Amino acid sequence: QKEVEQNSGPLSVPEGAIASLNCTYSDRGSQSFFWYRQYSGKSPELIMSIYSNGDKEDGRFTAQLNKASQYVSLLIRDSQPSDSATYLCAVGKNTPLVFGKGTRLSVIA
Amino acid sequence: GAGVSQSPSNKVTEKGKDVELRCDPISGHTALYWYRQSLGQGLEFLIYFQGNSAPDKSGLPSDRFSAERTGGSVSTLTIQRTQQEDSAVYLCASREQGFSNQPQHFGDGTRLSIL
Repeated sequence: QKEVEQNSGPLSVPEGAIASLNCTYSDRGSQSFFWYRQYSGKSPELIMSIYSNGDKEDGRFTAQLNKASQYVSLLIRDSQPSDSATYLCAVGKNTPLVFGKGTRLSVIA
Repeated sequence: GAGVSQSPSNKVTEKGKDVELRCDPISGHTALYWYRQSLGQGLEFLIYFQGNSAPDKSGLPSDRFSAERTGGSVSTLTIQRTQQEDSAVYLCASREQGFSNQPQHFGDGTRLSIL
């Protein structure tokens, strides 16, 4: 059974700090990896995608992928209170994406 | 361009009634997915349509749930004889192709409340 595991949190970080969100997956054949942000009462919103090993940066966000360790992470630099949300990791192959249950991030002003 | 559109945004109905939820995917997206999210929980996969292929119904929780997609575009999720445990947010997502390198884009969801 394909699984995506995330720490449910809450992860609390002070404003301006780096938030580090982690995700592991079980299907070694997975080919694409996504991070979604979900504000309370809202639908998930895509914020990052990554397909190959290494780092991918987009503004304050950096996604990191290590396929050998079956591990993907999201770093948020200079965290802001507006980053407070649940972050969902999603992993895919030629099937619907498999979503983790999400990590709740709280950025304290 | 327009995103995934879902209607209604909210639906309140009595236990035992049937409900229909609608999803209009992004134009040109061939893959369409339905998920359910209960309060404070993760996404529960329900059903997946890809082009003209037979849908993947493996996530439907009971035979009271069904879905169809007409003309490869709009999809309707039907719940018959609703129960209180059906109360949740029903999310629809679409994808440009059914392959792994494209992300899924979500609609705003339908919040279903069964009294």
